[in-house]
Amino acid sequence: DAGVTQSPTHLIKTRGQHVTLRCSPISGHKSVSWYQQVLGQGPQFIFQYYEKEERGRGNFPDRFSARQFPNYSSELNVNALLLGDSALYLCASSGTFMRNTGELFFGEGSRLTVL
Amino acid sequence: GQQVMQIPQYQHVQEGEDFTTYCNSSTTLSNIQWYKQRPGGHPVFLIQLVKSGEVKKQKRLTFQFGEAKKNSSLHITATQTTDVGTYFCAGYYGQNFVFGPGTRLSVLP
Repeated sequence: DAGVTQSPTHLIKTRGQHVTLRCSPISGHKSVSWYQQVLGQGPQFIFQYYEKEERGRGNFPDRFSARQFPNYSSELNVNALLLGDSALYLCASSGTFMRNTGELFFGEGSRLTVL
Repeated sequence: GQQVMQIPQYQHVQEGEDFTTYCNSSTTLSNIQWYKQRPGGHPVFLIQLVKSGEVKKQKRLTFQFGEAKKNSSLHITATQTTDVGTYFCAGYYGQNFVFGPGTRLSVLP
């Protein structure tokens, strides 16, 4: 079985642009979470989606948005990019709604560089 | 907000030496997970601890959850070069997992 797949793997944008990152969870997993990992730091929670509904949101500005599709894949959108948005964006899928359980299976990530 | 702290930030050991990283939460945790991230890679799940005082072992790795469920530790016995990477703890706070800043382990052969 394929693991969590993310695209694109690398991308370069300029300030003010918009970016869309995509994630396909492990087959059968209904929960997708997005994390931002700045170099040298731990992953920071952005969003969680379960059964196509937003179930959690981290402390990120409204420039960040996401959605989950009927096939449980997900998109993370970031508008008006800032230099500080440069990071590795990780998608994690889980077989449960992450209530006191649920190993997170991470994808390889999308490395975004904002110039 | 919830905070998860880890010490040390970096640890350099000679191959064969032991290694321990500590994780502390500002509030009581529902559970805690540990992940390993190799250089250039993505976090990979190691274990989940749920019960107060719980101790779990995986070969050379020993994981502990504090009695008050506010701290945890990961101990590696006789490190090997394959143990190189950053070890993160992640505490569950009722809605999402909060990751610590990680401990970066380097192992000198």
